[in-house]
Amino acid sequence: QKEVEQNSGPLSVPEGAIASLNCTYSDRVSQSFFWYRQYSGKSPELIMSIYSNGDKEDGRFTAQLNKASQYVSLLIRDSQPSDSATYLCAVPGDNFNKFYFGSGTKLNVKP
Amino acid sequence: DGGITQSPKYLFRKEGQNVTLSCEQNLNHDAMYWYRQDPGQGLRLIYYSQIVNDFQKGDIAEGYSVSREKKESFPLTVTSAQKNPTAFYLCASGAPDRIKGYTFGSGTRLTVV
Repeated sequence: QKEVEQNSGPLSVPEGAIASLNCTYSDRVSQSFFWYRQYSGKSPELIMSIYSNGDKEDGRFTAQLNKASQYVSLLIRDSQPSDSATYLCAVPGDNFNKFYFGSGTKLNVKP
Repeated sequence: DGGITQSPKYLFRKEGQNVTLSCEQNLNHDAMYWYRQDPGQGLRLIYYSQIVNDFQKGDIAEGYSVSREKKESFPLTVTSAQKNPTAFYLCASGAPDRIKGYTFGSGTRLTVV
């Protein structure tokens, strides 16, 4: 079973700042990584996936992957109060037959 | 519109009762999944099915049962053997690859009364 670790937070940032969310994983052979956003009482929704070392940008979101360090992060630029949610990191199992989720980091963006 | 429908949204179970949570998808996905989420915790896999009439246990299958008689449907039964069933239950479907993840339903919140 793959271990996926996240700081539970809460992480508090002021509106307009950069929020940095981190995730570490145990399996060196993991090839791709996923970030989900979950609002309180709602189901997770996919924000981004990344499978190559380096950065991947999508609007205000940037995913960063360092396979050597087994570390993946999500940066949210110009944070908005609507970004306040729990962010889940997920790593697929072999052949993508299942996903392993971290416990999530709760982000609070203060107006 | 395509999507995953879970019902009911809220469910209350008495001690010793079996209850069934519904999950229906019209996305034409072969694979379907059931996850459980407890407060402040991540998602834990209960059961998954890659194809009709076949399913596998996840990490916390004890006290649960499933069936997959149709591609569109993957109901989850929480049996009386599950001693701590109060949780948020999420159904997902997908054809995940290194870019695509799952699509989740809106969830069922189960409470033991």
